[in-house]
Amino acid sequence: QVTLKESGPVLVKPTETLTLTCTVSGFSLTSARFGVSWIRQPPGRALEWLAHIFSNGAKSYTTSLESRLTISKDTSKSQVVLTMTNMDPVDTATYYCARAGGPGGGTEFDSWGQGTLVTVSS
Amino acid sequence: DIMMTQSPDSLAVSLGERATISCKSSQTVLYSSNTKNYLAWYQQKPGQPPKLLFYWASTRESGVPDRFSGSGSGTDFTLTISSLQAEDVAVYYCQQYYTTPWTFGQGTKVEIK
Repeated sequence: QVTLKESGPVLVKPTETLTLTCTVSGFSLTSARFGVSWIRQPPGRALEWLAHIFSNGAKSYTTSLESRLTISKDTSKSQVVLTMTNMDPVDTATYYCARAGGPGGGTEFDSWGQGTLVTVSS
Repeated sequence: DIMMTQSPDSLAVSLGERATISCKSSQTVLYSSNTKNYLAWYQQKPGQPPKLLFYWASTRESGVPDRFSGSGSGTDFTLTISSLQAEDVAVYYCQQYYTTPWTFGQGTKVEIK
C-alpha cells in the first residue's frame, strides 16, 4: 500500500523558513519510476504545483517561487523535504506531497498525502 | 509556463444528467513522438486530497467508474460525467505534465441542481 505523509509546523511567522517533510512507504525513492512533488492549495483556492524531485535526484521548481524553494530527499529515511524561505501570509495553504510516475508511466500524480495546513501569521 | 483554463468555474447538474467540463491549455500538450497527451484529471472532494481520475487525457485510473470519461487532444480537453451521482459532487482539476512547471487549471465545482 502506497502512503505519503506530510509533517511540519502548523504555524510559522512571516519571514521565517518553512521546512516540510514527506515520509513515504509502499514504494522506494530510489526506484527509477517514481518521483515526488510538493503541491499547495490556499484555502478555497486551486492547486499549485511547487517542486519535484525525480528518481535520479534532478529537481524542478515552479517559476514564481524558485528562488525560495529547495527540495531534497533522504532515501535511507524514505523522506522528501521541502524548504520555503521568507514565508508570508499569502503562503498560508494546505501543502501536499504526491507521487508521480503512476500507472501511465508519466508524471501524473497517482498517490497523495492527506496534506498539512500551514498558517503564516505573527 | 503553460496556462490551463477550465470552464465553467462551476456547474449544477441534476442527478442522472450529464456534466461536461472543458480544459484548454495555452500550448499543445501532445507529444508528437509518442502521440500522447500529457494531461491528467483529478477529483477533489471537500477535506480530501485530489484523486487521479485520468492520465494521458483519456486513460481511466483503476477503480474510476465508467460514467467518467476523458477526451480531447492538443490544447482542448473534456471531462464528462455521463450520469451524475451524488458522490460526484466535487471540484475537478485538469493538469498538464508535458513540461515543467507542471500546471493545474483553476478547478470546476460540480454540484447537484
